[in-house]
Amino acid sequence: AQSVTQLGSHVSVSEGALVLLRCNYSSSVPPYLFWYVQYPNQGLQLLLKYTTGATLVKGINGFEAEFKKSETSFHLTKPSAHMSDAAEYFCAVSEGGTSYGKLTFGQGTILTVHP
Amino acid sequence: DGGITQSPKYLFRKEGQNVTLSCEQNLNHDAMYWYRQDPGQGLRLIYYSQIVNDFQKGDIAEGYSVSREKKESFPLTVTSAQKNPTAFYLCASSPTGGGNIQYFGAGTRLSVL
Repeated sequence: AQSVTQLGSHVSVSEGALVLLRCNYSSSVPPYLFWYVQYPNQGLQLLLKYTTGATLVKGINGFEAEFKKSETSFHLTKPSAHMSDAAEYFCAVSEGGTSYGKLTFGQGTILTVHP
Repeated sequence: DGGITQSPKYLFRKEGQNVTLSCEQNLNHDAMYWYRQDPGQGLRLIYYSQIVNDFQKGDIAEGYSVSREKKESFPLTVTSAQKNPTAFYLCASSPTGGGNIQYFGAGTRLSVL
């Protein structure tokens, strides 16, 4: 069984400040890990993914995440927040190495960016 | 443009009524999924289908039904047995061997009159 815990349902930062959204997972097999972003009343858009290889992955809009197996974490960061980053962010996990991956999602973190 | 189309964007259900949410994709993906989203609960899997004419229950299938008669289409019916249907419903699809990446539609918001 897989599970995802996102620490903090709401995170607030100032424009230009570091963004850090936390995600911890549990999985009995090597995981694939994902971050998705959702703007109000829209679907989810993939930000970045980790499957195998390099543990630091870069995504769209300047976001990146680091897979830390020893800490079972996949935290999302961005060095400098922009007003357009305000949205809800979801971390998700699936079983690695499968052809069809059911995703298990965290509960989401709403990011607010203040001017 | 390739993508996933969900319709309608907003839907209202009367007591005792079944309603059907449409999901169509032109990405040639084999797998399709339906999720329910409630505030603060993330996305929960209702049903998924890996191939035409086959589908499996997800974590919260009670009160819902699906069909997969065509590769492109995966409609979801919210039946009268679903006592709390008010939510945002998201459809997704994924390709075979695509690293388990799912692509999402824009969603349907269902409310009860």
